[in-house]
Amino acid sequence: AQKVTQAQTEISVVEKEDVTLDCVYETRDTTYYLFWYKQPPSGELVFLIRRNSFDEQNEISGRYSWNFQKSTSSFNFTITASQVVDSAVYFCALVQAAGNKLTFGGGTRVLVKP
Amino acid sequence: DAMVIQNPRYQVTQFGKPVTLSCSQTLNHNVMYWYQQKSSQAPKLLFHYYDKDFNNEADTPDNFQSRRPNTSFCFLDIRSPGLGDAAMYLCATSRAGGFGDQPQHFGDGTRLSIL
Repeated sequence: AQKVTQAQTEISVVEKEDVTLDCVYETRDTTYYLFWYKQPPSGELVFLIRRNSFDEQNEISGRYSWNFQKSTSSFNFTITASQVVDSAVYFCALVQAAGNKLTFGGGTRVLVKP
Repeated sequence: DAMVIQNPRYQVTQFGKPVTLSCSQTLNHNVMYWYQQKSSQAPKLLFHYYDKDFNNEADTPDNFQSRRPNTSFCFLDIRSPGLGDAAMYLCATSRAGGFGDQPQHFGDGTRLSIL
């Protein structure tokens, strides 16, 4: 069985602070894919990044960066210099290879105050 | 822009009165999903279509049905909505990558209220 845990339910920061969202996963598969999605107050889930289990390179996209560490089964997400528009719920999710069912974590609500 | 469109954005129905939510996509994706998301929870997969093949989750109540008349459209039917079915319903699509690596693209959701 697969499981994704986002231990932080809510994080509140002041604009321009950095914020790191933790994601820890469990799976017996050797091949799997990890995702991060953003859900702003409007409701839609926006795809942010995909990482496969064989690619442990960290990735940076603008103010967003991701740190994948297979040894600790973690796929953490950092927002640098946060902005009010970053306020949203962020979900980490996992899909096993040869499957298409997303297993979501419980989500972390990020509130960025001006 | 290619996208996933859900109608209506907000739906109010009466307890026990059947309701249908719709989803359309211009992405030409093989797979379409329906999720239920209750307040402060993660989305929960109800079922998905892989082309015309319907795949129901084991814990999806019989009260929830789905139809996919063609590639572009998918409907969620709730036959006798109960108060516990009030939630946001999200439709998503993905390519059939076969290896789980294709991201799912979500619509804006339909927020269902039950009176």
